[in-house]
Formats: sequence, structure tokens, C-alpha cells
Amino acid sequence: EDKVVQSPLSLVVHEGDTVTLNCSYEVTNFRSLLWYKQEKKAPTFLFMLTSSGIEKKSGRLSSILDKKELFSILNITATQTGDSAVYLCALIPSGTYKYIFGTGTRLKVLA
Amino acid sequence: DAGVIQSPRHEVTEMGQEVTLRCKPISGHDYLFWYRQTMMRGLELLIYFNNNVPIDDSGMPEDRFSAKMPNASFSTLKIQPSEPRDSAVYFCASSSRQEGKNTEAFFGQGTRLTVV
Repeated sequence: EDKVVQSPLSLVVHEGDTVTLNCSYEVTNFRSLLWYKQEKKAPTFLFMLTSSGIEKKSGRLSSILDKKELFSILNITATQTGDSAVYLCALIPSGTYKYIFGTGTRLKVLA
Repeated sequence: DAGVIQSPRHEVTEMGQEVTLRCKPISGHDYLFWYRQTMMRGLELLIYFNNNVPIDDSGMPEDRFSAKMPNASFSTLKIQPSEPRDSAVYFCASSSRQEGKNTEAFFGQGTRLTVV
């Protein structure tokens, strides 16, 4: 069964800290890996990664994929209270078009 | 585009009653997904459609659950009869393919279902 595992499950930091969220998977062939942010309601898209070693960046957020070691990380620098959310990782396995989600990392940023 | 639209936003029903959740995907998207989210199990894929045809319903928990997509702009998820363990947030999402690759999935605001 295709599996996506995220760590840590939860994290509490102070404003200004840098955090690294991990996503590992047991899927050897996949189309894309995606990161989403979920605050109170619907998940919203952050990044899509398809190639190993190429960093995607948007402001204080960045993500990279390591296909050899089967993981991806999401970095958030200079965290703000508005970064508090659940961060979800998802995969689209080859041969399908469905998005399989991990259970998420709950991040809380304290003022 | 208004995004993926789900209704109702909240539903409270008694055990044994039929529940119907509705979804309007983003216009032009040819993939539609139904997910269920709980604290214990996270976001679980129930079923997905491509061009209105169900492709994978392996996540549908039981025969009490059924989903239809009669046209490109409307889908329903029905639970009959409902049980307390069905209480969750149900999300609908849609996506499309561009240049041979899937875009990101866009989510609706969800329906919070409570079965008492």
C-alpha cells in the first residue's frame, strides 16, 4: 500500500524560529509530490515537486525532494504566528491520478 | 472562477438517516475527488472520477457510501444509512491535466457532518 509518513506530528516554536518538516514515503514511482497548508478549513496548495534536488521557493517557505532517499522537506524560516497550521504532504503515484496524503504536521508558532 | 463549491457546509443528522453531500468542481477540471478527514485517520481518499467516470472507489468504506457524477459540473456523495462513526469533514477537490501532468488539487471548504 502506498504510504506517506510525516514527522514530527506536532511542533511548537517561537516567532522567528526556523522549522523543517519531513515527508517520507514508501512509493518508488510517483508523478509528483505536493505540499499543502491547512488552517481552519480547506487545504491550500504550496508546492509541487517532480524532480529530485531542485528547490522550490516562495518567500520564507522552501521545499526540496530527494528521490533517492525517498523524502521531501519543507522549510519555513523566520516563522510568524500566521504560519500556524497543519502542513500536509501528498503524492500522486505513477499509474494513478489520485493524491495520497500523509497525516500532517501540526505547527504552532507562539508570539 | 469561484473555486470548488460544496454544500451544505454543516450537516447534523440522526443515525439511520440518509445524507447527501454536494460538490461543484472548478469549470474545466476533469478530475474530481472525495476525501474524508478525521483527527484519527487524516485525509482519506474515498473515490475519484475522471471525465465523470468513477476510476477508483477502493477508499469507499462500505456499501452505505455511494458517489455519482452525472455531469462535469456536479457530484454527490451519499451515505445511507448514516452512523455516528461517519462524523467527519468531507472534502471535494478537483484538478486537471496540463501538458501531460496533473495540476494541484483544489479543495472545497468541506462539509462538516455530525451523526448523532
